[in-house]
Amino acid sequence: DQQVKQNSPSLSVQEGRISILNCDYTNSMFDYFLWYKKYPAEGPTFLISISSIKDKNEDGRFTVFLNKSAKHLSLHIVPSQPGDSAVYFCAASSTGGGNKLTFGTGTQLKVEL
Amino acid sequence: EAGVAQSPRYKIIEKRQSVAFWCNPISGHATLYWYQQILGQGPKLLIQFQNNGVVDDSQLPKDRFSAERLKGVDSTLKIQPAKLEDSAVYLCASSSRGQPQHFGDGTRLSIL
Repeated sequence: DQQVKQNSPSLSVQEGRISILNCDYTNSMFDYFLWYKKYPAEGPTFLISISSIKDKNEDGRFTVFLNKSAKHLSLHIVPSQPGDSAVYFCAASSTGGGNKLTFGTGTQLKVEL
Repeated sequence: EAGVAQSPRYKIIEKRQSVAFWCNPISGHATLYWYQQILGQGPKLLIQFQNNGVVDDSQLPKDRFSAERLKGVDSTLKIQPAKLEDSAVYLCASSSRGQPQHFGDGTRLSIL
């Protein structure tokens, strides 16, 4: 039962353009969503998060959008840089869930020169 | 601040052998997590500690996996006996109240 889904295993974008990574969830109890970035042989690094009381959160080049009715969130990276090439994981948790995270399977982003 | 420390980074064992992993969380983080990440999948929570008490171990295969955090600081995860399907990266994470989890670089386990 995959409660958090990232249906695109990979994405290739040119440097300077926008990268859009998508994530869908099925559990309506999820109310807090995070994006983690992972380089090879390193652990995931927290990137940005959003609470279900918001529909947008922005931090520099990174913006996360949440559509609760569609149970969908997306991460926008503008402009994309070669150093953004990594695997991006979407994760979700619920209040009362003890901060337990449920992860998606990840999207490999490649930013090309 | 120093990050989450894990050792060893790599471990190769034969099936039916035992193995142990160690984690030292970020100083002051009361909550510690162990995740299993199988190739091509996202991390899956195995066990969560709050100080030295277990909060959630619902996905820990208790017939072969065990974990402890005796003094509420560092933690060990043990597998005994190992099976081929235990080949994965084992990630430790820690967090303080209301904050995102910080991950270590993990231990890559290969079972021959």
